Order: sequence, then C-alpha cells, then structure tokens
Amino acid sequence: KAGVTQTPRYLIKTRGQQVTLSCSPISGHRSVSWYQQTPGQGLQFLFEYFSETQRNKGNFPGRFSGRQFSNSRSEMNVSTLELGDSALYLCASSFTSGGNNEQYFGPGTRLTVT
Amino acid sequence: GEDVEQSLFLSVREGDSSVINCTYTDSSSTYLYWYKQEPGAGLQLLTYIFSNMDMKQDQRLTVLLNKKDKHLSLRIADTQTGDSAIYFCAESIGDDKIIFGKGTRLHILP
Repeated sequence: KAGVTQTPRYLIKTRGQQVTLSCSPISGHRSVSWYQQTPGQGLQFLFEYFSETQRNKGNFPGRFSGRQFSNSRSEMNVSTLELGDSALYLCASSFTSGGNNEQYFGPGTRLTVT
Repeated sequence: GEDVEQSLFLSVREGDSSVINCTYTDSSSTYLYWYKQEPGAGLQLLTYIFSNMDMKQDQRLTVLLNKKDKHLSLRIADTQTGDSAIYFCAESIGDDKIIFGKGTRLHILP
C-alpha cells in the first residue's frame, strides 16, 4: 500500500506570494492533518480534515487555510507569505478521526520564503 | 495549558540503552505517542500507549508512563547507529488534536 505523498517536496517563494501544498493520504484513509515544523517552535498542529470538513484548527492566522476533496486528498494554502512561514510542512493521514488512531506521516514539503 | 516538554539532546554509546524523557501538562490525554524522524524523512510512528497503561514493550522499545507525574519515557535497548534520529513525544487531546514536544536529538557515540 502506498504511503502518504506530498507535493512538491521543496518550494522557494518570496514574501507576499501565496503557496498551495498538496497531500495524498493512504488509500482508504479519510482523515488528513497538517503540521508545521520549525527549529524554534517544533511541531505545531495546523488543522485536520475529515470527510471534506475541517474538524479542528490550531492557533495559526487566517492566512493558513486548507480543504479536502471527495477523494480525501487535501491541499493547504498559505497567502501573503512571510519569512517566518519558512518551515517543513507535514501531512498525516489516518483511517478515521480521533487521537486513538495511528497517524502516518508524509515526507513533508520544505518551504523557503525569501 | 497544553504543553509537552522534552530535552533537546541525548548522546549514548552504541550498545547502551537510551532513555528519552518527556513531560506533559494536560491530564485529559487519552493516548501518548513516540515518533521518530530521520534526516530528510517524515515522521514515523514508533509506538503509542493508552493513558490507563503503565508500560508497553515492543521489541527493543519500552514505554513507561507515570500518569500521576505526567511523565513519559522511551527506552531503546542495545542502541544502534540506525537509531540516530530526532524523537518526538506527543499527546492526544480530545478527539482530534495532537500536541508535540520539540523533539530530542539522539546521537550515537561509537
């Protein structure tokens, strides 16, 4: 069974631009969560989607948004990029929603904002 | 508040046991996790423990949970060079949210 895939793997953008990251979960998984990983803040939860609905959201500004399609694939969008948005963005999928389900992580998209 | 704390670095000699410690603040955690991240790779779930358990053993890995002290540890027996990675402790809050520590970088000495 193929794992979680994320595209692109690397991205360089300039301040003020917007970016869209994509995540394809493991086949059959309906929950997709997004995380931001930076050296200073560690791993922080962004949001979770389950059956095309946002179930939970972390403490990030409205510039960070996402959506999930009927095939469970998810996209994350960041508008008006800031230097501090440079990070590794990780996507994780699980069969269903809830903390008692194992999450499987993708390799991440490394975003650099210049 | 919700917070997970762990030390940032640990150096262990090859063949010895590694013990990575973690403390958390939310007493309503249902599950606690250990993840491993190797260079250039995503996170890999190593093991998890339900909050009403004290210990879980899985081959070389032993997880100990002290719920009274809100302390979680991961012991890796017979540490190998392939164990060199960053180890993240995490707790689940309610149904949907997972809070991570900042990770402990495990360095293996020859």
